Amino acid sequence: AQKITQTQPGMFVQEKEAVTLDCTYDTSDQSYGLFWYKQPSSGEMIFLIYQGSYDEQNATEGRYSLNFQKARKSANLVISASQLGDSAMYFCAMRELNAGGTSYGKLTFGQGTILTVHP
Amino acid sequence: GAGVSQSPSNKVTEKGKDVELRCDPISGHTALYWYRQSLGQGLEFLIYFQGNSAPDKSGLPSDRFSAERTGGSVSTLTIQRTQQEDSAVYLCASSLAGGFFGPGTRLTVL
Repeated sequence: AQKITQTQPGMFVQEKEAVTLDCTYDTSDQSYGLFWYKQPSSGEMIFLIYQGSYDEQNATEGRYSLNFQKARKSANLVISASQLGDSAMYFCAMRELNAGGTSYGKLTFGQGTILTVHP
Repeated sequence: GAGVSQSPSNKVTEKGKDVELRCDPISGHTALYWYRQSLGQGLEFLIYFQGNSAPDKSGLPSDRFSAERTGGSVSTLTIQRTQQEDSAVYLCASSLAGGFFGPGTRLTVL
């Protein structure tokens, strides 16, 4: 089964509007972390926001917020007031405990969503 | 430096040659990851180092691929007898909890 599912291959949004990028995950761990990254056409991977599984409040970083719904295993990224520079590929990722349960293991990524912001 | 650095930024090699890719993580970060990304695709996990624990090598695609991390800091990914399908961008990330990525090495095997 896919660990991280991003069901939207592409999304379009008008400049200055908000957009939600979907992410669902699959884990049996109680402790895990969820991440969103932005990859513009330049190719760099830019860390945007992090949500821990025990965090009771949704994470926010400037115009980015993470809509964390633990029971539904979803961690959608909300970008408010979209800007042309937000056009990029966006990846959702999860970090679970390793097999021994003693530390966190690798980051597992979804397939990404291409966001295009129209003027 | 403040971020993760990788070298070289670009590498063009002939099929059958060996290549070494280097990653300098952020100082103090205990975790280091290698991923690769083919054009327009997602990230494929290769290997993960966490402190002094045995690395998670479950993503290495063949025995031509190996990686080491010396002194808990710098890491080198080695690809022996390169094949054309090895052409990709190789990304390194380091973290304490999350992951901060380097700029990548674009490998082209002719």
